[in-house]
Amino acid sequence: KNEVEQSPQNLTAQEGEFITINCSYSVGISALHWLQQHPGGGIVSLFMLSSGKKKHGRLIATINIQEKHSSLHITASHPRDSAVYICAVLGYGGSQGNLIFGKGTKLSVKP
Amino acid sequence: NAGVMQNPRHLVRRRGQEARLRCSPMKGHSHVYWYRQLPEEGLKFMVYLQKENIIDESGMPKERFSAEFPKEGPSILRIQQVVRGDSAAYFCASSSLPGLVPYEQYFGPGTRLTVT
Repeated sequence: KNEVEQSPQNLTAQEGEFITINCSYSVGISALHWLQQHPGGGIVSLFMLSSGKKKHGRLIATINIQEKHSSLHITASHPRDSAVYICAVLGYGGSQGNLIFGKGTKLSVKP
Repeated sequence: NAGVMQNPRHLVRRRGQEARLRCSPMKGHSHVYWYRQLPEEGLKFMVYLQKENIIDESGMPKERFSAEFPKEGPSILRIQQVVRGDSAAYFCASSSLPGLVPYEQYFGPGTRLTVT
């Protein structure tokens, strides 16, 4: 079993829909990252969080440390949101660079 | 302010050749991380470097792979005697000096290595 599990693996939505991507992990962590990988392959860091909730534009990330679970929400989705969304955790006690990645959720938003 | 730069963006090598991948961190960043993304797989941590120091190389294959981040110049990931299984996208990320709290990493565009 992977230490970081994401669901769903693939997600197709209509433009304007509210989207939720989930991430569960099995290790103690000091931080969790949400990343976006564009169809061209580049990676952008969306959020880093260790508690509570963060919001940036139409994106919201939440984390529940007790339940070892995080969600990424996209409100009013748009075709340009189509990408792979990756959850990564920084294991507690590991070096600052040693991120453990989920396999990603491939999101396709149709116009 | 330029972001993290990686070159080359695409690299083709024959089996047995050497591959050198370069990463220039964002201005002001002194910590560099290398990750590998094999086809149809997730990203995997390889190595974490500070200027002139390897901090964590627990994700590096024991043989043929090495990394450095000299005082001057880019970080280099070197793969000797490449094999087809080394074909992957290699991403570099950088961050500023980490404090007591985790920091954010900024990713480069990646180098896509193809071994023929």
